[in-house]
Amino acid sequence: SQTIHQWPATLVQPVGSPLSLECTVEGTSNPNLYWYRQAAGRGLQLLFYSVGIGQISSEVPQNLSASRPQDRQFILSSKKLLLSDSGFYLCAWRQVRGNTIYFGEGSWLTVV
Amino acid sequence: GQQVMQIPQYQHVQEGEDFTTYCNSSTTLSNIQWYKQRPGGHPVFLIQLVKSGEVKKQKRLTFQFGEAKKNSSLHITATQTTDVGTYFCAKGTGANNLFFGTGTRLTVIP
Repeated sequence: SQTIHQWPATLVQPVGSPLSLECTVEGTSNPNLYWYRQAAGRGLQLLFYSVGIGQISSEVPQNLSASRPQDRQFILSSKKLLLSDSGFYLCAWRQVRGNTIYFGEGSWLTVV
Repeated sequence: GQQVMQIPQYQHVQEGEDFTTYCNSSTTLSNIQWYKQRPGGHPVFLIQLVKSGEVKKQKRLTFQFGEAKKNSSLHITATQTTDVGTYFCAKGTGANNLFFGTGTRLTVIP
């Protein structure tokens, strides 16, 4: 069966510090991968998606970036965090010909 | 934009009362999905609707897709405390992406 792992689960980072959130999927190959952000009490905002290794599409301009160095690995990064980057970050995957998106457990980021 | 609008944003109901959330799009949707996010958790897939006028049921949950495929609803009969959470609709796009609605946060008062 397929599983998705995301870490760290929580982190508190100072403004201006870098960020790296990592996500891996097991039990499937060539999945579509996604990063969503959810501000406190808000909806889900699609940040990045990837249909293959090295292929990243950004949905919103921001100081975040994403990379996909391996087929089932998706990384969300920032060189300098802003206060507004605080939120709940969710990695997700979907089979290429599937419709359902499966989410990881999420990472709570607080920028102080 | 890519989002779909959901109403209401918040809903408080007494346990045993019914609950409905509505999802509206300005464009015709190829399909609509519904997800539930428990407090502190991640969204979990509930169902997908594809056909115009489609109605699907999952126990006390009834999902409906509008005839024009521009709106959808989720109705919960006789809510229970386990129904607490935020319910999202989501629309697919040709780029294999999923854009989520603004969500409806349901609180059930025991």
